[in-house]
Amino acid sequence: DTAVSQTPKYLVTQMGNDKSIKCEQNLGHDTMYWYKQDSKKFLKIMFSYNNKELIINETVPNRFSPKSPDKAHLNLHINSLELGDSAVYFCASSPSRTSGSSYNEQFFGPGTRLTVL
Amino acid sequence: GDSVTQMEGPVTLSEEAFLTINCTYTATGYPSLFWYVQYPGEGLQLLLKATKADDKGSNKGFEATYRKETTSFHLEKGSVQVSDSAVYFCALITGRRALTFGSGTRLQVQP
Repeated sequence: DTAVSQTPKYLVTQMGNDKSIKCEQNLGHDTMYWYKQDSKKFLKIMFSYNNKELIINETVPNRFSPKSPDKAHLNLHINSLELGDSAVYFCASSPSRTSGSSYNEQFFGPGTRLTVL
Repeated sequence: GDSVTQMEGPVTLSEEAFLTINCTYTATGYPSLFWYVQYPGEGLQLLLKATKADDKGSNKGFEATYRKETTSFHLEKGSVQVSDSAVYFCALITGRRALTFGSGTRLQVQP
């Protein structure tokens, strides 16, 4: 029933480790996103994919690499984790332009709280 | 670049009080405007939206009107409930298709 799902919900790891967060949407949307929410609740776009093609890549360290195996999935892999990577990461999706007035609406997953020790 | 400015919180109100959360924006082109709500421990939910000037978005008793002349999209509710306690985010989107968010405003409603 879940529209946009993320795993895991919580991730606690040591500095220097490599970890992945997975995202799946069953809404049939064409575009998916990763946003980062910092400790002050500020949200910022990291990446966006449209039909498996990267269309937005903000100034994010190269340690972050998104991967979209198909348009329903967008995973985020993080190498060499640092303390500053601790945040909540949200996946979102939105429909195509042909869907009419709702195409700008983004549907968010429940978030993954990453804690780097 | 695009930006959204929201009033700082927390906003603390008694139940049934009137709520206003101010939001102003700067954007290239003609953005669509949104209010998202984040309940404790949860993801973001779309509360309402407006896609052109003078449009009014409304949902669950909340309203906001797209004011192009003042570049504002203030959120209002006539009578808040304890269950409205959450963080509210104003956001915009342009052709770039990524949301630009304000800093969020925490609302605390006391019984």
